[in-house]
Amino acid sequence: DTAVSQTPKYLVTQMGNDKSIKCEQNLGHDTMYWYKQDSKKFLKIMFSYNNKELIINETVPNRFSPKSPDKAHLNLHINSLELGDSAVYFCASSLAPGGSYEQYFGPGTRLTVT
Amino acid sequence: AQSVTQLGSHVSVSEGALVLLRCNYSSSVPPYLFWYVQYPNQGLQLLLKYTTGATLVKGINGFEAEFKKSETSFHLTKPSAHMSDAAEYFCAVSYNNNDMRFGAGTRLTVKP
Repeated sequence: DTAVSQTPKYLVTQMGNDKSIKCEQNLGHDTMYWYKQDSKKFLKIMFSYNNKELIINETVPNRFSPKSPDKAHLNLHINSLELGDSAVYFCASSLAPGGSYEQYFGPGTRLTVT
Repeated sequence: AQSVTQLGSHVSVSEGALVLLRCNYSSSVPPYLFWYVQYPNQGLQLLLKYTTGATLVKGINGFEAEFKKSETSFHLTKPSAHMSDAAEYFCAVSYNNNDMRFGAGTRLTVKP
């Protein structure tokens, strides 16, 4: 009965490939996020969607494109993968954007680019 | 720019000892404050949060944190560490916009 789920959990691929990570939440939340966690555990927000609309788009390469088909899903597509994209990517959701609303995190997807 | 600083990237305590993880924020407007824990190979889980009201907030697993406006701090404490507390801890701040900002994290090691 997972609240926020991500697939796949591990993703190993070669430079130049295109890959997608899927995220689903069953909490009925309106807002979803993508974070990148580097090897030093630093957590950086990439995107935020509220009711399927983009509300935060941090400075990330345009090779990264989020897609939200509905409120419960926020997928991340990455084109032309580079070595520096290797990281753990977390999806999260919250009832509403910002403020006092805590975020619920998925288990993460460990992306390794070789 | 609003930011959050966690003093000490690594804290080591003995089992049964006091745990103190430090967090300071920098803004003129008090934010909403959160502590999250990340166990190895897992996502982040909320430990506790401060929004309004009582400045001493109790969370899960015996943790608590106190909001001190005069010190712009929100330090996390636990009276007696357990081996199972070993994890990465993140302080986070949020305002009435769409942004939550995380500190760099503090890795807690508990020695037997």
